[in-house]
Amino acid sequence: AQKITQTQPGMFVQEKEAVTLDCTYDTSDQSYGLFWYKQPSSGEMIFLIYQGSYDEQNATEGRYSLNFQKARKSANLVISASQLGDSAMYFCAMRRYTGGFKTIFGAGTRLFVKA
Amino acid sequence: DVKVTQSSRYLVKRTGEKVFLECVQDMDHENMFWYRQDPGLGLRLIYFSYDVKMKEKGDIPEGYSVSREKKERFSLILESASTNQTSMYLCASSPTSTTSNQPQHFGDGTRLSIL
Repeated sequence: AQKITQTQPGMFVQEKEAVTLDCTYDTSDQSYGLFWYKQPSSGEMIFLIYQGSYDEQNATEGRYSLNFQKARKSANLVISASQLGDSAMYFCAMRRYTGGFKTIFGAGTRLFVKA
Repeated sequence: DVKVTQSSRYLVKRTGEKVFLECVQDMDHENMFWYRQDPGLGLRLIYFSYDVKMKEKGDIPEGYSVSREKKERFSLILESASTNQTSMYLCASSPTSTTSNQPQHFGDGTRLSIL
């Protein structure tokens, strides 16, 4: 069975510092995709970054990077130079590519950025 | 622009009622999803559909059913609403494509209260 685990319910980071949000996953599939989404207090879900299971390089999108360690089944999100606007819930998600694009989410991490 | 529309932002129903939550997408996406979001539990997949009239159970299908008669519309049905189904419900869609990194697009959510 697939499972996503985010072990940090809440985290604090100082403005302009980097922060790592943890995500581990469990799957027996060889082909899958990993996503991170941001949910600010307004409630919208904002896509941040994607990593495919066969991608050899870690994904990067601006201040976001994904530290993908396939053998350890981890896909941690790194946010560099935190900004006050980064305060939000962050969700890790995994998509399988067999039997339909089933996508499951973790419990989320609430990030607080301090001025 | 991409659009996923949920029919109601807020809904109040009584226990035992049959409740319909509607979701429409205008992107011609094959895959559609229903999640419920609860504090500390993240987004949990109720049902998803990868084609018209096709549906698959997610992780928490009990007490729910779905209908997908047209590609653009995916309905969630609470057969006999109970108080433990009070939650935020999110609909999402995504394409099936050779470039599998396409993220899900989410609706604004329906906050459902069962009294």
